Amino acid sequence: AQTVTQSQPEMSVQEAETVTLSCTYDTSENNYYLFWYKQPPSRQMILVIRQEAYKQQNATENRFSVNFQKAAKSFSLKISDSQLGDTAMYFCAFTLVNTDKLIFGTGTRLQVFP
Amino acid sequence: KAGVTQTPRYLIKTRGQQVTLSCSPISGHRSVSWYQQTPGQGLQFLFEYFSETQRNKGNFPGRFSGRQFSNSRSEMNVSTLELGDSALYLCASSLGDRGWDEQYFGPGTRLTVT
Repeated sequence: AQTVTQSQPEMSVQEAETVTLSCTYDTSENNYYLFWYKQPPSRQMILVIRQEAYKQQNATENRFSVNFQKAAKSFSLKISDSQLGDTAMYFCAFTLVNTDKLIFGTGTRLQVFP
Repeated sequence: KAGVTQTPRYLIKTRGQQVTLSCSPISGHRSVSWYQQTPGQGLQFLFEYFSETQRNKGNFPGRFSGRQFSNSRSEMNVSTLELGDSALYLCASSLGDRGWDEQYFGPGTRLTVT
């Protein structure tokens, strides 16, 4: 069975600073995808970034980047130049190839302060 | 293009009753997945429907069921409601082709069981 662990229930960062959210996962499979989702307060969950396990290069999307360490089964999210609008719950998620079943971590609540 | 819509947005039911929640996917999307979000258990996968067939199922009791119609709209039903069924129920839609497609989440239906 696959599991996803987020060990930081809450994080805070000052505007314009950089913050890193941690995620570890466990699977015996070799082909899978990893994601970071953002759920702002009272708003819909949206995809922030995704990483294919077969790609060694870390994914980046503007201010968001990941550090994917496949051997260590670690998948952290770095947010650069934090903005007030980044305040949200962030969920790390895993899915095997050829399935839409997402397995989520427990989430990290990120607060960005002015 | 309209996003994923869920109705109703809020619902209050009494223990022992049953409830039906509806999800309309993005036009052209054929896969609909359902998730239960609670403070204690986090986000848990319920089931996924693709072309009117259940393609994947989570570890929920048989009181939780779903279906998908020919227009890809999906409903989930919970019978004999328990207090622990109080949760935010999210649905997500995707193209559903094999491989991976981004899942787009709806705003959720908040169910309160009293």
